[in-house]
Amino acid sequence: GAGVSQSPRYKVAKRGQDVALRCDPISGHVSLFWYQQALGQGPEFLTYFQNEAQLDKSGLPSDRFFAERPEGSVSTLKIQRTQQEDSAVYLCASSPSSYEQYFGPGTRLTVT
Amino acid sequence: DQQVKQNSPSLSVQEGRISILNCDYTNSMFDYFLWYKKYPAEGPTFLISISSIKDKNEDGRFTVFLNKSAKHLSLHIVPSQPGDSAVYFCAASGYNNNDMRFGAGTRLTVKP
Repeated sequence: GAGVSQSPRYKVAKRGQDVALRCDPISGHVSLFWYQQALGQGPEFLTYFQNEAQLDKSGLPSDRFFAERPEGSVSTLKIQRTQQEDSAVYLCASSPSSYEQYFGPGTRLTVT
Repeated sequence: DQQVKQNSPSLSVQEGRISILNCDYTNSMFDYFLWYKKYPAEGPTFLISISSIKDKNEDGRFTVFLNKSAKHLSLHIVPSQPGDSAVYFCAASGYNNNDMRFGAGTRLTVKP
């Protein structure tokens, strides 16, 4: 079946621009996670949804980061006024339970 | 703070030999551990996991060992195959904890 998809795969933004990254989870998966992966590092947790409820946003690095999942399926991660330190791969994962997460291919964001 | 550490950024082994990837953690509240495999331009894919109530879990060529007293786990791949060449991430989570922590990854190269 279809896996987790993310779009766009690559995004170049000028410093100060707003960006929106989309995640389409596996159909029927209740849990959805966003991670940020810097070069040479492992994924770092940003936020977690159970259906449409954002249950944990403790990993969001600043109030410029905002995530939503209004209908409990597709999710969008928005970054306002992008900074160079936001350059990273943003990974989305979905799960029928909390432990085994299925990852999308990621969106590589480059802020120039 | 780096709660999950993979101290070897890279490992090279000959085809047919054993690959041993190591991971250390600091948080004694972690009770579920996973290994993910990542190919370039793809998201991490789940490989194998182990609960803290076990000290070994085997799945084909892959075995994960957990030493709770040392807060150490390892992934053994035997025999190693060229297709195993990828970045391997160790991850840990607490019970019902949706904040999964990842190590920085180890790049495994299996030479034919």
